[in-house]
Amino acid sequence: GEDVEQSLFLSVREGDSSVINCTYTDSSSTYLYWYKQEPGAGLQLLTYIFSNMDMKQDQRLTVLLNKKDKHLSLRIADTQTGDSAIYFCAALYNQGGKLIFGQGTELSVKP
Amino acid sequence: SAVISQKPSRDICQRGTSLTIQCQVDSQVTMMFWYRQQPGQSLTLIATANQGSEATYESGFVIDKFPISRPNLTFSTLTVSNMSPEDSSIYLCSVPGEGTEAFFGQGTRLTVV
Repeated sequence: GEDVEQSLFLSVREGDSSVINCTYTDSSSTYLYWYKQEPGAGLQLLTYIFSNMDMKQDQRLTVLLNKKDKHLSLRIADTQTGDSAIYFCAALYNQGGKLIFGQGTELSVKP
Repeated sequence: SAVISQKPSRDICQRGTSLTIQCQVDSQVTMMFWYRQQPGQSLTLIATANQGSEATYESGFVIDKFPISRPNLTFSTLTVSNMSPEDSSIYLCSVPGEGTEAFFGQGTRLTVV
């Protein structure tokens, strides 16, 4: 069935770049998303990429998509302590339009 | 973009009781989705609610436990029935955008005691 996998933890120092990785199984996914969830808060859509693209940049965020390997990454440049949160990768599946979420990667930014 | 309002935002309920969560969207949408996020876990799709037809449930979720209503194109309810502490979670409704986004409500934080 459909599956999305992420590593669970990432720790970086303030000012460094963070790279969060995600793999998915269904090659028919049309859109892939990155959501941010801060403690006690709802989901915030950070960015998304359409499946016919291989890169998308939005200010400090860069999304890379390797469709052949079904691998998605989110790079955060100049990571700040305010970036500390859980980051979810999600894939939109054509069948019913539902989202399949990864387990979430907890990003810890140390000063 | 769609604006989604969920009620209640949080509740503490006794085991054995039921809670109905409401989701109101500011535009008409064909599909609405209900997700559950258990403590420290990712989001899991419970069901897809289509207006005018029965909800479609994902594996592991059943209508008797999570009945869903979809009376019109802007509103849906999810009921968590006969609650136990294992049902303590955040419940979120979601609607798709124009193929580019999925919009989420702020969620209902449920604690069952």
